[in-house]
Amino acid sequence: EVQLLESGGGLVQPGGSLRLSCAVSGFAFSSFAMSWIRQAPGKGLQWVSTISVSGGSIYYTDSVKGRFTISRDNSKNTLYLQMNSLRAEDTAIYYCAPPGTINYYYLDVWGKGTTVTVSS
Amino acid sequence: EIVMTQSPATLSVSPGERATLSCRASQSVSINVAWYQQKPGQAPRLLIHGASTRATGIPARFSGSGSGTEFTLTISSLQSEDFAVYYCQQYNKWPPITFGQGTRLEIK
Repeated sequence: EVQLLESGGGLVQPGGSLRLSCAVSGFAFSSFAMSWIRQAPGKGLQWVSTISVSGGSIYYTDSVKGRFTISRDNSKNTLYLQMNSLRAEDTAIYYCAPPGTINYYYLDVWGKGTTVTVSS
Repeated sequence: EIVMTQSPATLSVSPGERATLSCRASQSVSINVAWYQQKPGQAPRLLIHGASTRATGIPARFSGSGSGTEFTLTISSLQSEDFAVYYCQQYNKWPPITFGQGTRLEIK
């Protein structure tokens, strides 16, 4: 059974930093691209970032470019999101998201997410 | 970036009736569309992938159809537990994967 355990969220002031982690089990983590998805309070789902298997290809949504850094440690089956210069609009639940298959990025497993609140 | 547009924003249907939710892509996405159900305080749950393939454990009253740019999620006979928010998502060209803005299905 695939399990995703996101952690690292919390309350942070604008301009602050957080590092999110996602521990993955029951899944061939090192064989799949991974992504972060977020959901602001009362809003829809938004893709944030994707990292390839090796980490050699990385993509971000425009609003986080230059502020967020995605990374992974395949030896630890863990995905990370370093979030710097946080803004109020980054407030959301953050989910790590593996694809359903290697080539098809539907999301058939979800963790509980970790909540990030940016507020003074 | 492919934009996914869902309609209507809110749909009011009585229990036992059929609900039809729509999703339109800004360009062809073949059949690479998924549908999710989300209830308050919960993570989304995958219902459909490949436009029409039900995910594991999803009841047969949920069905998906469409290809290209037009997609539909149909719930044939609404149960009380089906009232939730539904999202479509394309994964034909990723990244980015993109989601519709959601349709809220409420009890009439």
